[in-house]
Amino acid sequence: GAGVSQTPSNKVTEKGKYVELRCDPISGHTALYWYRQSLGQGPEFLIYFQGTGAADDSGLPNDRFFAVRPEGSVSTLKIQRTERGDSAVYLCASSLAGINNEQFFGPGTRLTVL
Amino acid sequence: RKEVEQDPGPFNVPEGATVAFNCTYSNSASQSFFWYRQDCRKEPKLLMSVYSSGNEDGRFTAQLNRASQYISLLIRDSKLSDSATYLCVVNPLTGSARQLTFGSGTQLTVLP
Repeated sequence: GAGVSQTPSNKVTEKGKYVELRCDPISGHTALYWYRQSLGQGPEFLIYFQGTGAADDSGLPNDRFFAVRPEGSVSTLKIQRTERGDSAVYLCASSLAGINNEQFFGPGTRLTVL
Repeated sequence: RKEVEQDPGPFNVPEGATVAFNCTYSNSASQSFFWYRQDCRKEPKLLMSVYSSGNEDGRFTAQLNRASQYISLLIRDSKLSDSATYLCVVNPLTGSARQLTFGSGTQLTVLP
């Protein structure tokens, strides 16, 4: 079956612009996660959704970052007033409900802020 | 101090060699432990979970020492296709208890 998909695969923007990154989870997965991976580092947790609600947004770095999942499936990560330090690969993952279910990752969106 | 620490490598080993990676974690309350594999410019994929009793999957063996807060991964008879970055991953059971905490990864290159 289809895995987690993310669009766009690459996004280049200018400092100060607004960007939206999209994630399509595996069908039937109620849990969805966003992570950010900088060069040479492991992924860093941003936010977790269970259904439509953000169950844990403790990893969002500041209020320029926001994510939604209005129908409990597709999620959008929104970044306002982008900064050069936001450049990274943004990874989405999904899993079945349940605390120890495997998280399946998408291919990521590579964001470059010039 | 980082929550999960790994030797970044790189490890360059010949085909057929045995190689071991180590990882330490800081949160003694952590309950779930994993090794993920990440190929260059690809997404991380679960390699194996790590259990207190130790577990083996073919050429891969994972060990957990809770007293020392130490996790290891042993790869025997390494193949060219094992070349990748290996990420040590812990669920620290904070917040929603769903977030995974990743180490920075250890880069392995298996040479012909």
